[in-house]
Formats: sequence, C-alpha cells, structure tokens
Amino acid sequence: GAVVSQHPSWVICKSGTSVKIECRSLDFQATTMFWYRQFPKQSLMLMATSNEGSKATYEQGVEKDKFLINHASLTLSTLTVTSAHPEDSSFYICSASVSGEGYEQYFGPGTRLTVT
Amino acid sequence: AQKITQTQPGMFVQEKEAVTLDCTYDTSDPSYGLFWYKQPSSGEMIFLIYQGSYDQQNATEGRYSLNFQKARKSANLVISASQLGDSAMYFCAMRESRGTGFQKLVFGTGTRLLVSP
Repeated sequence: GAVVSQHPSWVICKSGTSVKIECRSLDFQATTMFWYRQFPKQSLMLMATSNEGSKATYEQGVEKDKFLINHASLTLSTLTVTSAHPEDSSFYICSASVSGEGYEQYFGPGTRLTVT
Repeated sequence: AQKITQTQPGMFVQEKEAVTLDCTYDTSDPSYGLFWYKQPSSGEMIFLIYQGSYDQQNATEGRYSLNFQKARKSANLVISASQLGDSAMYFCAMRESRGTGFQKLVFGTGTRLLVSP
C-alpha cells in the first residue's frame, strides 16, 4: 500500500514552454502533498506544501508564479513549471502523507526535467 | 532553524560487513522525528527507518537499526550484513513541526554508500 506515482517520469522541453507534472496517490487519500526539487548530487529541497482544496504554501525563495501547484483532489496534485528555462532543469519529487501530519511521507519516483 | 548534518560524503564497505552512516541534528523543538531514506540511482526515495524523539528504544527494521543518542543529538544508521544492493545515497531527515499540523522534512546532504564484493 501507500503508492505514489508521478507522470511523466522524464520530460524534455524547450525554453519558454510550460510543463505539468502530476503526482497521484494510488491507494490512499493524501490530504497533504509535498513537492521537492533535487539538483544533481545534492539533497532534496522542499519547494511547497499543498493541501487539498487550498492554496499551496511555498518555501522561501520559491517563485509561486513560476511553480504553480494545484491540489484539486485527495489523490492528485500537479506542479506546473511555467516559462521553463535551462536553470529549471532538475529532478522533481513529490510525496504524500496520509493524515496530514507528515509522520510518514510516501515518495513518488520523481520526474526528471530537462529544459533545452 | 532545524538542521541535519551528514559529514560523510561517501562510505565504502565490503559485502557482509556492517557500516554506520552518521547523522547529527539540531533543533529546539522537544518533539521531533528522525528518518532515514535510501535513494538508488533510479531516484526514488525509499523509507528505511523512523525514530521519534520520545521513543525509549532504538528503532530497528530488519538489517537497519538507528543508533539514537539524544543527548548528543545523533541518529546514526547502522546497516548490518551489507549487500551489493545497498549501494545508494542515504539521506537522514528530520520532521519539522510548524505548529499548524503541516510538518515538513528537512534533509541532510546525504552519504553515498558503495558496497564492494
């Protein structure tokens, strides 16, 4: 149980275009989902926390207009990278918690974004 | 601010031997949780073990055990009988309480473990 999927697993896009990444909890309802970013050989950095039906809470330094997060249902959250640039190339990982307390976060497999 | 420190960028161990991955933390919150995750080259984060700040005993999960020394603020991961499949990045993380019920994880910089035959 507690499986989280991400789609796509990898994507290549041209500079200036927008890319949407989906995060789904397959066998549980996730009241809270988290979006992380990981640069090569670095740690995970939390970008934002999203709760179903409310606006996402962004971490300091994360541009909310560039990284649009929507948590439309208890099983789906989306991250849209708007007007992507090469510096946005990274590994994006989502996670979901069951109760909203974040005791245990179940991670998706990640999405590798390359902006050319 | 809460902080996690992993001082070993890389560790080598021979198959079947035990290895300890170090993690120290800093927090003023009396209630916190410590996690270890494994990240293979494929990228997914695999939960290994959890230790709560009020847990009296060290956590164990199969070949994984957490050496929790609260006074020293350390939470080292011990992997017994290493296997080739243990080669991966290992991240220590701490659950940070925001007081609103939404809790985020703060990750260390990770340790790359290589297990040799």
